[in-house]
Amino acid sequence: KAGVTQTPRYLIKTRGQQVTLSCSPISGHRSVSWYQQTPGQGLQFLFEYFSETQRNKGNFPGRFSGRQFSNSRSEMNVSTLELGDSALYLCASSTRTRLETQYFGPGTRLLVL
Amino acid sequence: AQSVSQHNHHVILSEAASLELGCNYSYGGTVNLFWYVQYPGQHLQLLLKYFSGDPLVKGIKGFEAEFIKSKFSFNLRKPSVQWSDTAEYFCAPHSGGGADGLTFGKGTHLIIQP
Repeated sequence: KAGVTQTPRYLIKTRGQQVTLSCSPISGHRSVSWYQQTPGQGLQFLFEYFSETQRNKGNFPGRFSGRQFSNSRSEMNVSTLELGDSALYLCASSTRTRLETQYFGPGTRLLVL
Repeated sequence: AQSVSQHNHHVILSEAASLELGCNYSYGGTVNLFWYVQYPGQHLQLLLKYFSGDPLVKGIKGFEAEFIKSKFSFNLRKPSVQWSDTAEYFCAPHSGGGADGLTFGKGTHLIIQP
C-alpha cells in the first residue's frame, strides 16, 4: 500500500497570505489527523477528521481550519499567516477507531516570511 | 487535559550502551501509549504501543517499553544501542475514551556515537 502523501512538501508564504495543504491517507483509512511540529512547541494536535466530519480539535485559533472529502483526502487551510505559523505540518491517517496506530506522512514544511 | 513529560531532551550514548528514555503522563483514566521515532530525513513511525495486557511491550528494532500504571510511566528501553538508532523519540499517550488527538512529548534527541 502506498503511504500517506502530502503536498506540497515545501512552501514559502508571506505574512497575511493564506495557504492550503493537502493530505492523501493510506487507502482504506478514513481518519485523518493534522499536527504542527515546531522546535519550540514540539508536535501539537490540530484536528482530526473522520468520514468528512471534524471529530476533534486542538487548541489552535480559528485561522486554522480543515476539511475532508468523500474519498478521505483532507486539506487544511491557514488564513492570515503569521511568522509563528512557520512549521512542519504533519498529516496522519488511521483506520476506523481512535485506538488504531496513526501512520504519518512526510509533512509540508511551511516558511512564513 | 492530559500532558506528557519526557525527561531527557538530548541523550548521547556510545554503541552497545544500554538505553532508557523516561516518559510520564498525567492522564488518570484508561490510556493507550505509543512511542514514535523519527529517523533523520524520515517520517514519524511507530516504534511500539500499549493498549492492554502484558505491561512489557516489544517493538521494532529491539526496543521495549514497560507500562507502570502506579507511576504513570511508559519508559522506553533497549539493552544495546546501535549507531542507526540515532533519531528523535516521542512518547505519546492517548486517552482510551479518546476525544483528543495524540499528545506528544517534546521528544528526546538520541545520538549514538560509533
